[in-house]
Amino acid sequence: AQSVTQLDSHVSVSEGTPVLLRCNYSSSYSPSLFWYVQHPNKGLQLLLKYTSAATLVKGINGFEAEFKKSETSFHLTKPSAHMSDAAEYFCVVSPSGSARQLTFGSGTQLTVLP
Amino acid sequence: KAGVTQTPRYLIKTRGQQVTLSCSPISGHRSVSWYQQTPGQGLQFLFEYFSETQRNKGNFPGRFSGRQFSNSRSEMNVSTLELGDSALYLCASSSGLAGGPGTGELFFGEGSRLTVL
Repeated sequence: AQSVTQLDSHVSVSEGTPVLLRCNYSSSYSPSLFWYVQHPNKGLQLLLKYTSAATLVKGINGFEAEFKKSETSFHLTKPSAHMSDAAEYFCVVSPSGSARQLTFGSGTQLTVLP
Repeated sequence: KAGVTQTPRYLIKTRGQQVTLSCSPISGHRSVSWYQQTPGQGLQFLFEYFSETQRNKGNFPGRFSGRQFSNSRSEMNVSTLELGDSALYLCASSSGLAGGPGTGELFFGEGSRLTVL
């Protein structure tokens, strides 16, 4: 069985300050992990993915995430928030090498204050 | 390269009616997955089709069905609509099987927003 927990439903930061969105997972297998972003009334866009290569993964728009197996975490970070980063973010886990369905976290709504 | 295209983008139906939603995947992608997104339940997996075969199915009643054509385009159908079916229905395509290594990342369309009155 697998699951993913996004520890914060809402995060609020000021523009120019760091962003940290937390995600913990559980998986019986070596997982693939993804972060997606959803802007209002839009579909989900892939930010980055981890598939057992480098543990520090760089994505689009300055985001990165670090896979920590010992902590079963895959937190998303960005050094400096921009107003356009305001959106909902989803952490997703999938068993590696499997066609089973992906498991989505409940989402974290990021607000960026001017 | 064109992205995932979903039609219609918005639609309003009444209880008891049925609805068909369409999804055209990215050219060359063979997998199409469908998700239902609601404020209360979040993103829930409906089903995945790969090469015209249903590969995975989520926990939805039989009123929800789908199919995939030889050109990889997919449709989903909901019969006997209920108020609780109001949601954003998202389609996603991937080159390989959804979630698999290497080619399993999903590319989403903008969704079809269904309102049931």
